Amino acid sequence: NAGVTQTPKFQVLKTGQSMTLQCAQDMNHEYMSWYRQDPGMGLRLIHYSVGAGITDQGEVPNGYNVSRSTTEDFPLRLLSAAPSQTSVYFCASSYSGTWAYEQYFGPGTRLTVT
Amino acid sequence: AQSVTQLDSHVSVSEGTPVLLRCNYSSSYSPSLFWYVQHPNKGLQLLLKYTSAATLVKGINGFEAEFKKSETSFHLTKPSAHMSDAAEYFCVVSDPGDDKIIFGKGTRLHILP
Repeated sequence: NAGVTQTPKFQVLKTGQSMTLQCAQDMNHEYMSWYRQDPGMGLRLIHYSVGAGITDQGEVPNGYNVSRSTTEDFPLRLLSAAPSQTSVYFCASSYSGTWAYEQYFGPGTRLTVT
Repeated sequence: AQSVTQLDSHVSVSEGTPVLLRCNYSSSYSPSLFWYVQHPNKGLQLLLKYTSAATLVKGINGFEAEFKKSETSFHLTKPSAHMSDAAEYFCVVSDPGDDKIIFGKGTRLHILP
């Protein structure tokens, strides 16, 4: 049982490049989400999904796309990277939604955009 | 809409002394409240959660928190700090029926030898 896995661990992009951050969970969780963590800002929700085929925007969705074709996977796509997207990205999952359920976090992806 | 405020961005205590990390929340409903810990260069781990049962919640590693509705607070405490407690702590709120959770900005706990 690997929990929540994220790849890559580190990534450097040039402005304008695109890439996909991978997230997978093996706990059969319905709810998955992406956050970015910036110093002094806590974690801010980018996108989330309450089940396969269903996604919605969080607090800071601009510049990011997601899809959820399977229960296990929830990739995050950066369409055209900008220096403002330099951050640490965390994927999380929970059994069902957010109220009362623990979120399980991946180890994070540290992204630098130059 | 719910919100959460962590009142201190940094807290320093000596090893063996009590820890108090303060959190106030705003919610129109009966929220669930969580404390997560993040050690350097690691992901987040759940310390404890409140979900409308007992107001005093015990978590891992000797931490506990008390839900006080009248004060809209959910402060985290530990009787005796250990060096391994040095980390960043996040207070989190979630409302029933809402698919989002809101993080506080975090409190970095420093333990002095």
